[in-house]
Amino acid sequence: EVQLLESGGGLVQPGGSLRLSCAASGFTFSSYTVCWVRQAPGKGLEWVSSIGDGGSTFYADSVKGRFTISRDNSRNTLYLQMNSLRAEDTAVYYCAKDLESTVKLPNYWGQGTLVAVSS
Amino acid sequence: QLVLTQSPSASASLGASVKLTCTLSSGHSNNAIAWHQQQPEKGPRYLMKLNSDGSHAKGDGIPDRFSGSSSGAERYLTISSLQSEDEADYYCQTWGSGIRVFGGGTKLTVL
Repeated sequence: EVQLLESGGGLVQPGGSLRLSCAASGFTFSSYTVCWVRQAPGKGLEWVSSIGDGGSTFYADSVKGRFTISRDNSRNTLYLQMNSLRAEDTAVYYCAKDLESTVKLPNYWGQGTLVAVSS
Repeated sequence: QLVLTQSPSASASLGASVKLTCTLSSGHSNNAIAWHQQQPEKGPRYLMKLNSDGSHAKGDGIPDRFSGSSSGAERYLTISSLQSEDEADYYCQTWGSGIRVFGGGTKLTVL
């Protein structure tokens, strides 16, 4: 059974940093693209960042230069380092696994971790 | 620019059918999409991948009541025999040039 478990969310002040983790199990983690998607309170889903099985990375313009996605295949874990956080980064952050390497559509989602940016 | 457009809301009666629409922006009518369901206070759930020719592949455990179809730049999600647990937000999603795009979502109310 595929499982994705996010952790690391919390309350942080504007300008601060936070690192999210996503522990994956039930599939060959190293063979799949994985991504982060967020949802601000009362809003829709917004793609944040993706990392391919070969390590290529992609970012939404709203987080480029502030967030860094990475993966540790030996630990089956996905990370999101978030720096220079802003109030508008407040959201539930979900990790997700892609259907297959050439199809950038998530077919499994985690339950999310809440990030609140406030003074 | 890659954009997905969805109506903000839809409603249908218990036991009836409903068809939700996702429209791809100009130049992207061949894109495959995914439909995702998000029930209240829960994380998203993958429903299916839907190709431009209407073929679709559903996720694990998705009931036969959920089906997809396509026409030009339109992608549809049809839910038949509506149940109370189908009341949720439904999002379409696609990708291109390294980015991923979600539609704004449709809030489905089951009357």
